[in-house]
Amino acid sequence: ETGVTQTPRHLVMGMTNKKSLKCEQHLGHNAMYWYKQSAKKPLELMFVYNFKEQTENNSVPSRFSPECPNSSHLFLHLHTLQPEDSALYLCASSQDNSGTGELFFGEGSRLTVL
Amino acid sequence: GQNIDQPTEMTATEGAIVQINCTYQTSGFNGLFWYQQHAGEAPTFLSYNVLDGLEEKGRFSSFLSRSKGYSYLLLKELQMKDSASYLCAVRSRGGSYIPTFGRGTSLIVHP
Repeated sequence: ETGVTQTPRHLVMGMTNKKSLKCEQHLGHNAMYWYKQSAKKPLELMFVYNFKEQTENNSVPSRFSPECPNSSHLFLHLHTLQPEDSALYLCASSQDNSGTGELFFGEGSRLTVL
Repeated sequence: GQNIDQPTEMTATEGAIVQINCTYQTSGFNGLFWYQQHAGEAPTFLSYNVLDGLEEKGRFSSFLSRSKGYSYLLLKELQMKDSASYLCAVRSRGGSYIPTFGRGTSLIVHP
């Protein structure tokens, strides 16, 4: 138990569907992150939020839309995805976005796009 | 940009010692992390090095040489449960100080 909870753990969706991934952290952290993990590729940073404000968007396609209503919750809204978007999506949190503190990861949401 | 390189896969024997290397090229280096990730689980923090030298934490140690752009993770007295992926991540000015990860090294420990 890392203090970061992601739901759903597994998701299968068609290219025309709209779905959302949810992340909740119980650590009192102020920064939250979305990473994409594909087989044989490095973890790719997607978005960073600090105190609910987006501070990084790593050239992510607009079919991925993040939302951070408060410091404890982070969503990733998905629409018109492509099969190559199939991956493990990891949420993480840290005390702040200075990068000095360790990241606490959730167990991920395994996404399959058909 | 940043370039982080680590071996894809390593195998070792239970009870042995293994060293997992990580080399990096980046501008404005500001620290290096090691994470462990078991299959189907979240990555978990192992170590953070910002100054040169060896940091020891139980069976695991991490070394950093900033001048060589090099780090290693040393695992002693290997146990079967150490079979996992080990991720090297670098903080730098070029990456807005957010950790950038390597591909990870899959370590297989066999009896």
